[in-house]
Amino acid sequence: KQEVTQIPAALSVPEGENLVLNCSFTDSAIYNLQWFRQDPGKGLTSLLLIQSSQREQTSGRLNASLDKSSGRSTLYIAASQPGDSATYLCAVTGSGGSYIPTFGRGTSLIVHP
Amino acid sequence: DAGVIQSPRHEVTEMGQEVTLRCKPISGHDYLFWYRQTMMRGLELLIYFNNNVPIDDSGMPEDRFSAKMPNASFSTLKIQPSEPRDSAVYFCASSSTRGAPRETQYFGPGTRLLVL
Repeated sequence: KQEVTQIPAALSVPEGENLVLNCSFTDSAIYNLQWFRQDPGKGLTSLLLIQSSQREQTSGRLNASLDKSSGRSTLYIAASQPGDSATYLCAVTGSGGSYIPTFGRGTSLIVHP
Repeated sequence: DAGVIQSPRHEVTEMGQEVTLRCKPISGHDYLFWYRQTMMRGLELLIYFNNNVPIDDSGMPEDRFSAKMPNASFSTLKIQPSEPRDSAVYFCASSSTRGAPRETQYFGPGTRLLVL
């Protein structure tokens, strides 16, 4: 059974710092990996999706990498801003026809001015 | 597009009552997912549909839960009878295997359910 772990569980940084959020998964036979953002009391917003054949994806100040063999993904946020404060979740979708995504518990990020 | 629409946004009910949650996916999407989120267990997939057909309902906690998708634009999740431990935020999400970006999941705002 796929298990997804996110470290750290919580992070507080001053504005302007570059930071890295980590996601690890136990079964490397994945179809894709997706990073989401969740604001308090809201739904999830997709940030980046990496297919299993890809190594990274970029969107603005965000860069996500994927290393399937080691079962790891990182989300890099450059020049963090208070508006980046949210919970970040990663989700892994299995291969072999299974479309069931497994979510990590998330990293709660606070960027203070 | 208005995105994934869920109703109601909030629901407070008493134990034993029937609860029906509704979802309208993004037009043209062929996958629909129902999730439940709690502090204790995080985000859990309950069931998902492909082209209106239920594919995997192994996440549905017990027989009190049922889900239907009578057409491509509407799905319901029903809890009968409801129990306090069902209190959670229920999300609906949809995705498409056609066009771009493929397979990105789009979430609705959720229904906050409180069972007293």
